[in-house]
Amino acid sequence: QKEVEQNSGPLSVPEGAIASLNCTYSDRGSQSFFWYRQYSGKSPELIMFIYSNGDKEDGRFTAQLNKASQYVSLLIRDSQPSDSATYLCAVIGSSTLGRLYFGRGTQLTVWP
Amino acid sequence: DAMVIQNPRYQVTQFGKPVTLSCSQTLNHNVMYWYQQKSSQAPKLLFHYYDKDFNNEADTPDNFQSRRPNTSFCFLDIRSPGLGDAAMYLCATSRPGLREKLFFGSGTQLSVL
Repeated sequence: QKEVEQNSGPLSVPEGAIASLNCTYSDRGSQSFFWYRQYSGKSPELIMFIYSNGDKEDGRFTAQLNKASQYVSLLIRDSQPSDSATYLCAVIGSSTLGRLYFGRGTQLTVWP
Repeated sequence: DAMVIQNPRYQVTQFGKPVTLSCSQTLNHNVMYWYQQKSSQAPKLLFHYYDKDFNNEADTPDNFQSRRPNTSFCFLDIRSPGLGDAAMYLCATSRPGLREKLFFGSGTQLSVL
């Protein structure tokens, strides 16, 4: 399966801080990039998607994409304890016809 | 209202005893996926259907099979479960295309005794 790499963490930040999550991918032809949040024992929940180079903001979340570096990141501003979860990076490649490949996720803990 | 429904939520089976997991959807999406997720690992794509066209990932074990009798339903059959098959099994749907988002069911947690 296509490689999607994430630092598994755990990443621990205080409440109110910025959490920065990173992801690299091996398929240079990848077109679509997604961030999912997964609470323990639950299924993944889509929180952000990005298709073009640059930044995309949605509330407290910002996704950043750099296709030349094959790098995508997620910033969470004003982190809250409820943001504590595993964040999965997922990628659709140009040759994979909609198949989504996941990284193993970064576990984030936000402490009060 | 649940849009992708997986049953059961928890399934216990015995080593070597065939088991079937089910998934249904009310979204009328063409594409359905089965993922396997072991503890602290990435969800791993097992197969997907584009309508009735079945697509198997190269590294999906032969022990795993799938059926999609109609648009709404999809089944995952594990012919002879081993201890290593204990995992969360996630069903997801999407419309076709590179940019379509996946909708996940709540998953079935499979235990093998």
